[in-house]
Amino acid sequence: QVQLVESGGGLVKPGGSLRLSCAASGFTFSDYYMSWIRQAPGKGLEWVSYISSSGSTIYYADSVKGRFTISRDNAKNSLYLQMNSLRAEDTAVYYCARDGIQLDYWGQGTLVTVSS
Amino acid sequence: QSALTQPASVSGSPGQSITISCTGTSSDVGGYNYVSWYQQHPGKAPKLMIYDVSNRPSGVSNRFSGSKSGNTASLTISGLQAEDEADYYCSSYTSSSTPSVFGGGTKLTVL
Repeated sequence: QVQLVESGGGLVKPGGSLRLSCAASGFTFSDYYMSWIRQAPGKGLEWVSYISSSGSTIYYADSVKGRFTISRDNAKNSLYLQMNSLRAEDTAVYYCARDGIQLDYWGQGTLVTVSS
Repeated sequence: QSALTQPASVSGSPGQSITISCTGTSSDVGGYNYVSWYQQHPGKAPKLMIYDVSNRPSGVSNRFSGSKSGNTASLTISGLQAEDEADYYCSSYTSSSTPSVFGGGTKLTVL
């Protein structure tokens, strides 16, 4: 069965960095586009970033452009999100999801808290 | 401000039907048949309920249906059940600078 497991969240000070990981299993990871979506406490879903199956096409939301970097390692069936220059408004649960235009499988999420 | 507009809340009694709207523009909802709907219970990850406007993934109840007219997509839930109480989000492919956008979400209350 398809499984996506995020890790790497935690408490970080403003201006700090964090790297999120998403371990995929149960499907051919290298065949699928993947996305990161976040949800601030009590708020709605916000699409963050997207990467094609080969990694050659990448998009970012304007709110994270220049600060976040998405990447993947198809040999390790893993998706990553490097987050730099973190701000309080980046505090959220971060989900990875399999992206076939529709997001058909989601991980359980990992909480990132940016606070001094 | 979300790119797609949804009502903040809707409610209905068990057994009734409700419809949640999702309004966009010709650059997203109106321009492509790539509208999806997600259900999210508190503290849980979102779950895909409808894709490509009106298709249900395997395992999703046929009480859930989707449609689209112009720039507005709709999710209808018939025969409301207590377990349907959740937040619902629409999403659409878009020709803007990002590949997809979400609606702001609708809280469904089963009275």
